[in-house]
Amino acid sequence: QLQLHESGSGLVKPSQTLFLTCAVSGDSVTSDGSTWSWIRQPPGKGLECVGYIYHSGNTDYNPSLESRVTMSLDRAKNQFSLKLTAVTAADTAVYFCARDGHFYDSNGRHDAFDVWGQGAMVTVSS
Amino acid sequence: DIQMTQSPSSLSASVGDRVTIACRASQDINTFLNWYQQSPGKAPKLLIYSASRLQSGVPARFSGSGTGTDFTLTISSLQPEDFATYYCQQSYTIPATFGQGTRLEIK
Repeated sequence: QLQLHESGSGLVKPSQTLFLTCAVSGDSVTSDGSTWSWIRQPPGKGLECVGYIYHSGNTDYNPSLESRVTMSLDRAKNQFSLKLTAVTAADTAVYFCARDGHFYDSNGRHDAFDVWGQGAMVTVSS
Repeated sequence: DIQMTQSPSSLSASVGDRVTIACRASQDINTFLNWYQQSPGKAPKLLIYSASRLQSGVPARFSGSGTGTDFTLTISSLQPEDFATYYCQQSYTIPATFGQGTRLEIK
């Protein structure tokens, strides 16, 4: 059974760097075709996709965050990571890692976030 | 980015009621539409993918429909555990974008 678990910075000062990791069990982060994501949710607000990292290590980032985001894979530890630089209070949120699962029907492939971590609260404050 | 708009933003209903939540995309997304349920303090849970396909393990009282720009999520007979917030999400383009959420409350 696939499980994801976030860990990392709980409190980050403004202008500094947020760092989170997502430990994966039950599958390999490099399994063929797999896609992993970070999604965040500010307190009391909706969901925002931060970006994707593919089994190959290639990435796609939300254009609104692209200049500050880096995602990476750690094959040895079977985990993936998020780094967000120059944080502000607007980056305060629960950060979820998730698998972007692939489903197939007559229209082709459909992607959906089918397995989630429990979430990690990150607060940006001095 | 594709904008997703849900209505209503909140909804009060009773156990046993049938409820429908609407989601509109800012452009044609075919059936690349997913629905999630989020309870307080929990991660979202995938209910429906490809607009109408029920995720494994999700009760059959949940159903989805629609194509193009207009979609609906229907719960045929509300159960106590269904009072939560629901989000639609498009997977037509990257990055995925979500609706603002519909909070379903007990009347």
